[in-house]
Amino acid sequence: HSALTQPASVSGFPGQWITIPCTGTSSDVGGYNAVSWYQQYPGKAPKLMIYDVSSRPSGISIRISGSKSDNTASLTIAGLQPDDEAIYYCSSYTNNNARIFGGGTKVTV
Amino acid sequence: EVQLVESGGGLVRPGGSLRLSCAASGFSFNSYTMNWVRQAPGKGPEWVASISDTGDDIYYADSVKGRFTISRDNTRNSLYLQMSSLRVEDTAVYYCARDQYGGYGFDVWGPGTLVTASS
Repeated sequence: HSALTQPASVSGFPGQWITIPCTGTSSDVGGYNAVSWYQQYPGKAPKLMIYDVSSRPSGISIRISGSKSDNTASLTIAGLQPDDEAIYYCSSYTNNNARIFGGGTKVTV
Repeated sequence: EVQLVESGGGLVRPGGSLRLSCAASGFSFNSYTMNWVRQAPGKGPEWVASISDTGDDIYYADSVKGRFTISRDNTRNSLYLQMSSLRVEDTAVYYCARDQYGGYGFDVWGPGTLVTASS
């Protein structure tokens, strides 16, 4: 399994909404409802934002949402805020009981 | 408070060995699948290995298979990673991460421990 494909960067103005795509294959993203998304600030551990494609953990803002179509999952951030500026990674379960991550997308506000 | 704290990182020569530990607290450790995830400097995370709640099911990334061994001690609420035949490319921050109960996502992470394989 190669890494999932994400754009290197996405930018937006405060209040706008952005979408980050994450493309895999039928052996990972397309084959399971097991996509998760993480936010990471420099020098910090990743933080779970979305699990099982579209579920939000307790405490995560409703401005954050996830979806999937075929082999591409997406993370949408509505009402962009300055503290949304971070790197976002997608991850998926795979058909050989492994997990795979994307290369990361730097969000600039 | 739910918490994971890694220890055991450091500088090691290529070909050497190192054992990482992860101390869990604030939750029922023996009910969760646990993982090691690493992140090389300036790169994205890479899943390394997972172990089921009972320790019966273990999986590894191809990049570490045969060199690393994941284990757990539910009586000590601890997770371990024995690393051998270390390579320069194993240099990374190693995180202990808990699997979401009943779902797919790493919902709790430790602060990480740095492993540097260099001569």
